[in-house]
Amino acid sequence: SQTIHQWPATLVQPVGSPLSLECTVEGTSNPNLYWYRQAAGRGLQLLFYSVGIGQISSEVPQNLSASRPQDRQFILSSKKLLLSDSGFYLCAWRGQGGNYGYTFGSGTRLTVV
Amino acid sequence: KNQVEQSPQSLIILEGKNCTLQCNYTVSPFSNLRWYKQDTGRGPVSLTIMTFSENTKSNGRYTATLDADTKQSSLHITASQLSDSASYICVVTVYSSASKIIFGSGTRLSIRP
Repeated sequence: SQTIHQWPATLVQPVGSPLSLECTVEGTSNPNLYWYRQAAGRGLQLLFYSVGIGQISSEVPQNLSASRPQDRQFILSSKKLLLSDSGFYLCAWRGQGGNYGYTFGSGTRLTVV
Repeated sequence: KNQVEQSPQSLIILEGKNCTLQCNYTVSPFSNLRWYKQDTGRGPVSLTIMTFSENTKSNGRYTATLDADTKQSSLHITASQLSDSASYICVVTVYSSASKIIFGSGTRLSIRP
């Protein structure tokens, strides 16, 4: 069966420090991978998605970047965190094709101080 | 414009009571609709998925309906339990598009003893 792993679960980082959040998927190949951010009490905002290794699409301009070095690995990064980067980050995967839904990771609570 | 609107924004009911959450969408071409349950600080977990031809889908005490003509869906929770307290998110997928997954803003459900 397919599983998705996201870590760390919580993270407190100072302003200006770098960030690396990792997400891996098991039990499937060539998934579509996504990074979302969810502000408190708000809906999910798509940050990046990837349809294959090295292929990254950005939905909103921001201080973050994403990379997909392997088929089932998706990394969210920042060189210098801002206070506004605080939030709940969710990784998700979806099968290729039109009729698949999402499976989400357990999320990372990032607090920038 | 592709949109998903949920109502009510929040709901408080007593334990043991039933409730119904609503989702209206304007998404084309439609692929599928999913209801997710998101506990506080956790990633969303899929409850049901329905395609164009499906009208009703049940998962235990959760029953989702879909009217593709009026582009409306509902999630009915029977005999609510305290553990049902969570946000419920309606998500509609655009067919054959890697990025076009439209999220509703969710309904925050609180079950009181």
